[in-house]
Amino acid sequence: AQSVTQLDSQVPVFEEAPVELRCNYSSSVSVYLFWYVQYPNQGLQLLLKYLSGSTLVKGINGFEAEFNKSQTSFHLRKPSVHISDTAEYFCAVRTSGAGSYQLTFGKGTKLSVIP
Amino acid sequence: DGGITQSPKYLFRKEGQNVTLSCEQNLNHDAMYWYRQDPGQGLRLIYYSQIVNDFQKGDIAEGYSVSREKKESFPLTVTSAQKNPTAFYLCASSPKEGPGPRSNQPQHFGDGTRLSIL
Repeated sequence: AQSVTQLDSQVPVFEEAPVELRCNYSSSVSVYLFWYVQYPNQGLQLLLKYLSGSTLVKGINGFEAEFNKSQTSFHLRKPSVHISDTAEYFCAVRTSGAGSYQLTFGKGTKLSVIP
Repeated sequence: DGGITQSPKYLFRKEGQNVTLSCEQNLNHDAMYWYRQDPGQGLRLIYYSQIVNDFQKGDIAEGYSVSREKKESFPLTVTSAQKNPTAFYLCASSPKEGPGPRSNQPQHFGDGTRLSIL
């Protein structure tokens, strides 16, 4: 079975500073990986996804993530954050292969951007 | 615009009462899901359905029930057997799972229902 670990539950960062939100996964087969963002009292929106190909994935709102198979990581980065990036971020893994359909989510990282 | 509609946005449950959360989608998605979200615990899967009239238990199905009579609708009932129902409930949908290029489309989410105990 797959699992996802988000190493930081909360990350405070000053506006215009860079940020990295860490995500590690475990799976016995190849995986598809996702980052979602959740604003207060809302559902989840997809930021980006890795299915195959280039290990550097670019998403919306200036975010990007790098898939590292040897380190089983999929860290999310942004070079310069804005106040509007304050939200909770979830990393998720979906096991590839016929019949697999679930997303397993990490416990989330709350990003707080300080003016 | 296509999307997922969850209602109500806020719901209160009395002791011994069953309550039903609505989830409707007009994305023509085959698969639908219910998650429970508690602070610091991420999302946990309650039930999912890949096709009309069929559904499977997720990781925390006890105290919940679902139906899938129509492709567009996947209501969740929180029964009185669920002793700790206070949480944020999220419904999601995705294209049909299985082999092929569409099988890796991510899940789309509604805006959630917050359930509290009176």
